[in-house]
Amino acid sequence: DQQVKQNSPSLSVQEGRISILNCDYTNSMFDYFLWYKKYPAEGPTFLISISSIKDKNEDGRFTVFLNKSAKHLSLHIVPSQPGDSAVYFCAATGYGQNFVFGPGTRLSVLP
Amino acid sequence: DTGVSQNPRHKITKRGQNVTFRCDPISEHNRLYWYRQTLGQGPEFLTYFQNEAQLEKSRLLSDRFSAERPKGSFSTLEIQRTEQGDSAMYLCASSLFATNEKLFFGSGTQLSVL
Repeated sequence: DQQVKQNSPSLSVQEGRISILNCDYTNSMFDYFLWYKKYPAEGPTFLISISSIKDKNEDGRFTVFLNKSAKHLSLHIVPSQPGDSAVYFCAATGYGQNFVFGPGTRLSVLP
Repeated sequence: DTGVSQNPRHKITKRGQNVTFRCDPISEHNRLYWYRQTLGQGPEFLTYFQNEAQLEKSRLLSDRFSAERPKGSFSTLEIQRTEQGDSAMYLCASSLFATNEKLFFGSGTQLSVL
């Protein structure tokens, strides 16, 4: 039973365009959400997070949107760069909950 | 660099052997987590410590797995009588327990059981 879902295993976008990665969750106890980026042979690296009291958080080229009623969040990368090519994991946690990760989306940014 | 350090980076073993992995967290972090990741999946929670106390262990975790964090510093993860299904990347992460806690991961130990 996957509590955090990333339904797109892969995504390809052109350099300079917007990348949109989606994540859905089922556990209503989750109140804090994070995105991690992972390159091959490395551990995941923290990218950006959002608390459930907000619906948007922005950091440079990265913006995370949270729709609590739909239990959905998305990560927008604008503009996309070749160095953004990696696997992106959505993670969720809450009071008394561990960090639960989705299966990841592999992003390829084409030059 | 004071990031999370994991050793070894790679481990190849024969089925039935015991293996031990080590994780050195970021020094001021009081929480330490172990995750396992297989190809095409996200990190799967195994266990975590707050200081030296092991606060939770996944129900999916076999009794062949044991973890320790003596003195609340480094941690070891031991797998006894390894099976081929144990082949995975074992990730360690540390954090400072606080509101909006963030995990900082090491590079992982890739285990291959032959």
